[in-house]
Amino acid sequence: GQQVMQIPQYQHVQEGEDFTTYCNSSTTLSNIQWYKQRPGGHPVFLIQLVKSGEVKKQKRLTFQFGEAKKNSSLHITATQTTDVGTYFCAVRPRSNDYKLSFGAGTTVTVRA
Amino acid sequence: NAGVTQTPKFRILKIGQSMTLQCTQDMNHNYMYWYRQDPGMGLKLIYYSVGAGITDKGEVPNGYNVSRSTTEDFPLRLELAAPSQTSVYFCASSYSILGQGDYNSPLHFGNGTRLTVT
Repeated sequence: GQQVMQIPQYQHVQEGEDFTTYCNSSTTLSNIQWYKQRPGGHPVFLIQLVKSGEVKKQKRLTFQFGEAKKNSSLHITATQTTDVGTYFCAVRPRSNDYKLSFGAGTTVTVRA
Repeated sequence: NAGVTQTPKFRILKIGQSMTLQCTQDMNHNYMYWYRQDPGMGLKLIYYSVGAGITDKGEVPNGYNVSRSTTEDFPLRLELAAPSQTSVYFCASSYSILGQGDYNSPLHFGNGTRLTVT
């Protein structure tokens, strides 16, 4: 089954506002990847976090890996209509595990 | 560079029919994966392969079969289609990284095959 839980499942955001989505695991992770899927599209890789406490930014997106490497967050500032889609986290419990397990995703809609 | 190519894009099957979903990649990736995605759900791993001639089951392999005779191709076979197999199917590939600690290569996805079984 799924290794990680993502919350919230749905996020309705007013354009210009900020929001955060979370990915939580009961076990320590070797790394975590984030993907974005636009409506009707396929998942596209955004970023990977490897180190404890790591923070990475991509323009208005800020990704963080927890100190215990059991959780991660994606924070989007000044949400735009281009941010619409579903954001997935994906994990391998061990670095040599070939299987990548995806969370259920957070689906983001934006009110203009 | 085409990346990961899936065919067909759409297909409607009757219960009990069989079909093969095609997936090919031109990036010389040794890892390949098949996922299915149901509405409002994440991606569930069906089968994966770490190289030509090597395949293994994922979370939801029942009702499916795969083969990996070449590095480029990883077809997914549905035998005796059932309504529960109505889904969007994604093929993905990645390369392996040795000696890179906890870093893993990201997955590159195809555009998907939308399958309906009625």
